[in-house]
Amino acid sequence: EVQLLESGGGLVQPGGSLRLSCAASGFTFSNYPMSWVRQAPGKGLEWVSGISRSDGTTFYADSVKGRFTISRDNFKNNLYMQMNSLSAGDTAVYYCAKWKGDQSIFDSWGQGILVTVSS
Amino acid sequence: DIQMTQSPSSLSASIGDRVTITCRASQSIRIYLNWYQQKPGKVPNLLIYNTSSLQGEVPSRFSGSGSGTEFTLTISSLQPEDSATYYCQQSYSTPTFGQGTRVEIK
Repeated sequence: EVQLLESGGGLVQPGGSLRLSCAASGFTFSNYPMSWVRQAPGKGLEWVSGISRSDGTTFYADSVKGRFTISRDNFKNNLYMQMNSLSAGDTAVYYCAKWKGDQSIFDSWGQGILVTVSS
Repeated sequence: DIQMTQSPSSLSASIGDRVTITCRASQSIRIYLNWYQQKPGKVPNLLIYNTSSLQGEVPSRFSGSGSGTEFTLTISSLQPEDSATYYCQQSYSTPTFGQGTRVEIK
């Protein structure tokens, strides 16, 4: 059974930084691209970032480009998101999501982790 | 980026009703359109991928159709457990989601 477990969320001041982690199990992590998707309180889903299986190719939404960095450790089966220069607009539940094969179809999701940016 | 627009934003229907949700893309996305269901307080769940392929154990009352820029999600006979918000998402290029359609039971 695929399991994705996010950690590292919490309350951070505007301008601050946070690093999210996602521990993956139940599948061969290195075989799948991964993404982060967020959902602001009471709002819809927003794709944030994606990373290829092994060559480190990364993709970002314009809203986070230059501030967020996605990475992965295929030995530890972990996905990461380094978030810098945070603002109130980044307040959301952040989900890590597994791709279905090589397509950005999100067939498994973590339970989500809340990031709150506030002074 | 490709913009995805869903209609309606919300609907209310009775048990057993046929429900249709539309998703339009700002440019052709061929068949690369996916649908997710999210119940309140829960994680999104993939229902349909590549326009019409049902994921896993998704009930057969859910179906999808379309191509190019216009797509539909149909629930053939609405059940109480189908009360949720439904999102379309294109996987043709950098992923984008529709704004969601909230389905309520009358």
